[in-house]
Amino acid sequence: QVQLVQSGAEVKKPGSSVKVSCTASGGSFRNSAFSWVRQAPGQGIEWMGGIVPVFGTLSYSQKFQGRVMITTDESTSTAYMELSGLRSDDTAVYYCVRGAWVRDILTGYPTPGWFDSWGQGTLVTVSS
Amino acid sequence: EIVLTQSPGTLSLSPGERATLSCRASQSVSSDYLAWYQQKLGQAPRLLIYGVSSRATGIPDRFSGSGSGTDFTLTISRLEPEDFAVYYCQHYGSSPLTFGGGTKVEIK
Repeated sequence: QVQLVQSGAEVKKPGSSVKVSCTASGGSFRNSAFSWVRQAPGQGIEWMGGIVPVFGTLSYSQKFQGRVMITTDESTSTAYMELSGLRSDDTAVYYCVRGAWVRDILTGYPTPGWFDSWGQGTLVTVSS
Repeated sequence: EIVLTQSPGTLSLSPGERATLSCRASQSVSSDYLAWYQQKLGQAPRLLIYGVSSRATGIPDRFSGSGSGTDFTLTISRLEPEDFAVYYCQHYGSSPLTFGGGTKVEIK
């Protein structure tokens, strides 16, 4: 059974950056797909971007392009998400998710599919 | 971007009743790239269904998914007390991956 353990809650000032980590245990890290999604208080779920480590393919939501960076360290089975230029509306719980990869319908490149494992979530609060 | 619209927003039912949740896509979802998740208050979502109709590991067979093209359905055949939660559909296979707004299944 795959387990994802995320780093702890963060309080940040507007304009700053936050980096959240996610350490995986169990399953194949390299041949999985990892994504980051977020959920603002009382709101729905929003996909930010994802990576398929075995192919090194990265994809980001255009909404976060230029502000988000997703990386992985296979030696420690850890995925990272860094979000810069924080605003108050970035206040949310950020989840690391793992699952299968599928072929992108348009490009044929490996891309994240469904999410069968979720981290416990990291609350990021942006406040002056 | 594929926009997923879930209906109804809230479903009020009693334990033992059948729940039918709808997810409509703004354009055709190719290759059956649609999943469903359950989220309880204060918890991370849990995968129920992927590939439109394949149940995830450990998911009871009272949960079933169906549909194609732009119209998809999650059916819970007989609601158990632990099934009252919020349900989300999600498409994948093209960026950005998107989620529906959710359907809350509440006790009547």
